[in-house]
Amino acid sequence: ETGVTQTPRHLVMGMTNKKSLKCEQHLGHNAMYWYKQSAKKPLELMFVYSLEERVENNSVPSRFSPECPNSSHLFLHLHTLQPEDSALYLCASSQDFAGGYYGYTFGSGTRLTVV
Amino acid sequence: DAKTTQPNSMESNEEEPVHLPCNHSTISGTDYIHWYRQLPSQGPEYVIHGLTSNVNNRMASLAIAEDRKSSTLILHRATLRDAAVYYCILKNSGSARQLTFGSGTQLTVLP
Repeated sequence: ETGVTQTPRHLVMGMTNKKSLKCEQHLGHNAMYWYKQSAKKPLELMFVYSLEERVENNSVPSRFSPECPNSSHLFLHLHTLQPEDSALYLCASSQDFAGGYYGYTFGSGTRLTVV
Repeated sequence: DAKTTQPNSMESNEEEPVHLPCNHSTISGTDYIHWYRQLPSQGPEYVIHGLTSNVNNRMASLAIAEDRKSSTLILHRATLRDAAVYYCILKNSGSARQLTFGSGTQLTVLP
């Protein structure tokens, strides 16, 4: 366990389904992130939250909807996904979202398959 | 953004030291050098980071060139569990830009 817990670990969903990915950290970190890792591609940053406010959204389609109800929890709501959205979705947290000094702690990810 | 260049893959023998290189010729004075690794089916794991001086921790050592245009991650005795993709990343202390991952180096450890 890294201190960042993601559930579920695996998810298979149809293109018309609605599902949510959950991320939880109790490290006292103030920033949380969603990354997407497609097969044989580098990690792509999707969303950044600092103190529960979204500070960055990297042109992610609206079928992905993040939610950060408090500094310990982060959700990614999914609806009407496409097969090309199948990927490993990773959550991370850090002490602060700015600055080079702090490292990130990643969860183990949710392996999503869209059928 | 300053970019990094790493070899696509490297091999090492078990229990031998491994030196993973990274070039970052356009690094700025406020860029920290971060190293992460990603084991199969897991999220990336922080390994080490530094600014100017060499750094040591329980996982590895980071050797930074005097001109900061390159760095080397050193695993002192590779084990089979060190087989992973290793990422060298620059993160600027003066901006809110986030960790940007490249393709990294796939390290294979041979028994």
